[in-house]
Amino acid sequence: EAGVAQSPRYKIIEKRQSVAFWCNPISGHATLYWYQQILGQGPKLLIQFQNNGVVDDSQLPKDRFSAERLKGVDSTLKIQPAKLEDSAVYLCASSAGRADSYEQYFGPGTRLTVT
Amino acid sequence: LAKTTQPISMDSYEGQEVNITCSHNNIATNDYITWYQQFPSQGPRFIIQGYKTKVTNEVASLFIPADRKSSTLSLPRVSLSDTAVYYCLVGGPYNQGGKLIFGQGTELSVKP
Repeated sequence: EAGVAQSPRYKIIEKRQSVAFWCNPISGHATLYWYQQILGQGPKLLIQFQNNGVVDDSQLPKDRFSAERLKGVDSTLKIQPAKLEDSAVYLCASSAGRADSYEQYFGPGTRLTVT
Repeated sequence: LAKTTQPISMDSYEGQEVNITCSHNNIATNDYITWYQQFPSQGPRFIIQGYKTKVTNEVASLFIPADRKSSTLSLPRVSLSDTAVYYCLVGGPYNQGGKLIFGQGTELSVKP
C-alpha cells in the first residue's frame, strides 16, 4: 500500500514570496490533515478535511495560508506572502476517517526555509 | 483545549522498560489519547491509541488511569532503534467540537 506522498521535500524562498505544497493521501482515506512542525516542537494542526470539506481550520493563519482538497483526494497548502516565522516542516497526514480512530499516516513532510 | 505536558527527554539502556508519561489535565469526555513516534526527517508514526484503562499491542502498552488526566506509554525492552521523539496526541471527534493537540514530545535516547 503506497503511503502519503508530499512534494516538494525541500523549498527555500525569500520572505514575501509565495509557495505551495502538494499532498496525495493514502487511497480511500477520507480525512486529510495539514500540520506545521517548527523545529523542536510537536506538530500543530493547521487544517483538517473530511472528504473535500473543511472541518477544522481554527489554527490556520487565514490572512496568508490557504488550503484546498479538490474532489476529496489530493490537497494543496499555499502560503502567500511567506514570513520568516513560517520556516518549518509542513506535514500532511491522512486517516480512514473513523470517528473513534486517530491513527494517522504521515507523509515525509516538506521542509520550508524562508530567508 | 486539552493542553498536554511531557518530559523533554529521557535516557535508557537497551533491554530496559521505558515509561513516558503525558499529562492532560483538562481532557474532554470525548477525547482519545494517541501516541506517535518520530525519527529525524520523517513524519510521525502511530504507536497506540486508548480511551481508558489499558491497551496493549505488539509494540507498546498504554495505561490510562480512571480520571484520564494522564497517560503512560510503556515500551518493553527497548533497543537502540527506539531512539526517537515520542508524542502524545489528545483529541476528539471533529463533529463534537474535538481538537487535535500534540504534546511537545519526549526525546528518548537508548544507550548500549
